[in-house]
Amino acid sequence: EAGVTQFPSHSVIEKGQTVTLRCDPISGHDNLYWYRRVMGKEIKFLLHFVKESKQDESGMPNNRFLAERTGGTYSTLKVQPAELEDSGVYFCASSQVVATGELFFGEGSRLTVL
Amino acid sequence: GQNIDQPTEMTATEGAIVQINCTYQTSGFNGLFWYQQHAGEAPTFLSYNVLDGLEEKGRFSSFLSRSKGYSYLLLKELQMKDSASYLCAVSSSGGYQKVTFGTGTKLQVIP
Repeated sequence: EAGVTQFPSHSVIEKGQTVTLRCDPISGHDNLYWYRRVMGKEIKFLLHFVKESKQDESGMPNNRFLAERTGGTYSTLKVQPAELEDSGVYFCASSQVVATGELFFGEGSRLTVL
Repeated sequence: GQNIDQPTEMTATEGAIVQINCTYQTSGFNGLFWYQQHAGEAPTFLSYNVLDGLEEKGRFSSFLSRSKGYSYLLLKELQMKDSASYLCAVSSSGGYQKVTFGTGTKLQVIP
């Protein structure tokens, strides 16, 4: 069974540009999460989808970040325009069971904003 | 809000036992995860404690005390490949699962 896959694995862009990260969860997992880890800090929650609906987007830093999950399958996270402080590793995770499910993580997309 | 504390770094000797502590403060506690993350890789699930007590799984054990807001991960018979970051994460309720991570403990196993 394929795990959670993320693309790209690494992206280097200039301040002001746009980047779109993609996550393909494990097939059949209704729950999809985006997390971000900034250098030296903890993995921080960004948002949670249940199927195509945003269940919780309280962790989204600001309106430069837009996440979508049309059709309830893969998800995209767009950063527009990117700022220096957006650099970090963006992890996607999915789970099947709502209350107690193990989160399965992708390997992350490393974003470097110059 | 939620607050999770764990040591930043630890060093232990191959073959030894190491205990990584985690304390937390949260509302609506569901359970506590431990994840292992090797550099540049995805976090991988180790354990999930919901009730008080010790859960053993091979060389790894995890303990939880909900009244004290405390957990530990115990690694026995350490191997060099156990060098990694160990992430404590708390699952809280709200009608859905929200998992909050600590900063992680970087464990270095030395010969």
